[in-house]
Amino acid sequence: AQKVTQAQTEISVVEKEDVTLDCVYETRDTTYYLFWYKQPPSGELVFLIRRNSFDEQNEISGRYSWNFQKSTSSFNFTITASQVVDSAVYFCALSGGESQFYFGTGTSLTVIP
Amino acid sequence: GAVVSQHPSRVICKSGTSVKIECRSLDFQATTMFWYRQFPKQSLMLMATSNEGSKATYEQGVEKDKFLINHASLTLSTLTVTSAHPEDSSFYICSADSGGSYNEQFFGPGTRLTVL
Repeated sequence: AQKVTQAQTEISVVEKEDVTLDCVYETRDTTYYLFWYKQPPSGELVFLIRRNSFDEQNEISGRYSWNFQKSTSSFNFTITASQVVDSAVYFCALSGGESQFYFGTGTSLTVIP
Repeated sequence: GAVVSQHPSRVICKSGTSVKIECRSLDFQATTMFWYRQFPKQSLMLMATSNEGSKATYEQGVEKDKFLINHASLTLSTLTVTSAHPEDSSFYICSADSGGSYNEQFFGPGTRLTVL
């Protein structure tokens, strides 16, 4: 079965703090893809990153970084020096052999000025 | 990057009427499109998978007679909510699969449906 768990429902941080959003997944596929999306209040999903199951290299993009660990089936997302504009709901998603997406329940991040 | 549009972005209708939502891939051909529904403060739930020229595959619990999906061309899929009721009020999002090797789906901006 395919499943994505985002245990943190809501997180609040003060601006400039670092914050990590957790994502744990389950899959039987050997080849799969993991994604993170940002959903601001407008509702439109903003693509942040895609990672395939054979690439465990961590990635950094500006203030964003991702830590992929197959051993713990986790794909965590860290925002460094958070800003108010980072306030949104963040979804982790998994796609396997069927190309169907499985979304986590999302983490609502509020950055307090 | 690939762009997917949805129309309308927002619709308000009376209970009992039908509403059609269009999903278009603007700069690529999509053999497969997906329809999701998102209730407030909840995750995206896949409703159906639509393949061009064939019948849509619906997820368990989704009424195919109520949510009619047509994928008539490689760039257009439509979702019609028939005899809409207030409980159908939701945010509907489509996505399109470009068929590339990365399982990447491109999401539309969503349609907010309010049924009075």
